Amino acid sequence: DVKVTQSSRYLVKRTGEKVFLECVQDMDHENMFWYRQDPGLGLRLIYFSYDVKMKEKGDIPEGYSVSREKKERFSLILESASTNQTSMYLCASSLGTNYKYTQYFGPGTRLTVL
Amino acid sequence: AQSVAQPEDQVNVAEGNPLTVKCTYSVSGNPYLFWYVQYPNRGLQFLLKYITGDNLVKGSYGFEAEFNKSQTSFHLKKPSALVSDSALYFCAVRALNSGNTPLVFGKGTRLSVIA
Repeated sequence: DVKVTQSSRYLVKRTGEKVFLECVQDMDHENMFWYRQDPGLGLRLIYFSYDVKMKEKGDIPEGYSVSREKKERFSLILESASTNQTSMYLCASSLGTNYKYTQYFGPGTRLTVL
Repeated sequence: AQSVAQPEDQVNVAEGNPLTVKCTYSVSGNPYLFWYVQYPNRGLQFLLKYITGDNLVKGSYGFEAEFNKSQTSFHLKKPSALVSDSALYFCAVRALNSGNTPLVFGKGTRLSVIA
């Protein structure tokens, strides 16, 4: 089974702090994704990566950056956390080919910024 | 551009009754369609997907979905609902042969199965 793990289930940070959210997958997937989930807004794509050291902006990249130094690890960075970044953050991964493109999700990190 | 609509924020159904969660999509070319389920404080779990072939797709936990190209729909169904099916359901789409384009998700439908 594909396993996607996220470093924390719950996180509380202060406004202005630099926050790192880590995601690791164990199935040698090329693609990795970061979403945030908010009530009534569904899932919104922040960034994705289709190869090591490659990144693409999603729909809401402002205030975030990402790092992918190794194939299995994709980090989301909040450079200076703000209260409007309080949310559930979901990481996902998938193979790169069309017919095997199913995205597999981690358990999520619920981030609260005070 | 790709988009997904889930017209109902909430669906209520009695245990043992059939359930339907609706999804319509818009995509250029042929679609690649998914349903995911999310239980409280958990990530999304894959339920089923349609690529090509039979319009009726069977997935996990007794769920199935019917692809209707003329109506651009991919409704999720189950013949007999269980209380344990209560969760948040997401439909997602991407165009086939669209390279590395990520899935586009609907806003989700909360299913409540009442005993």
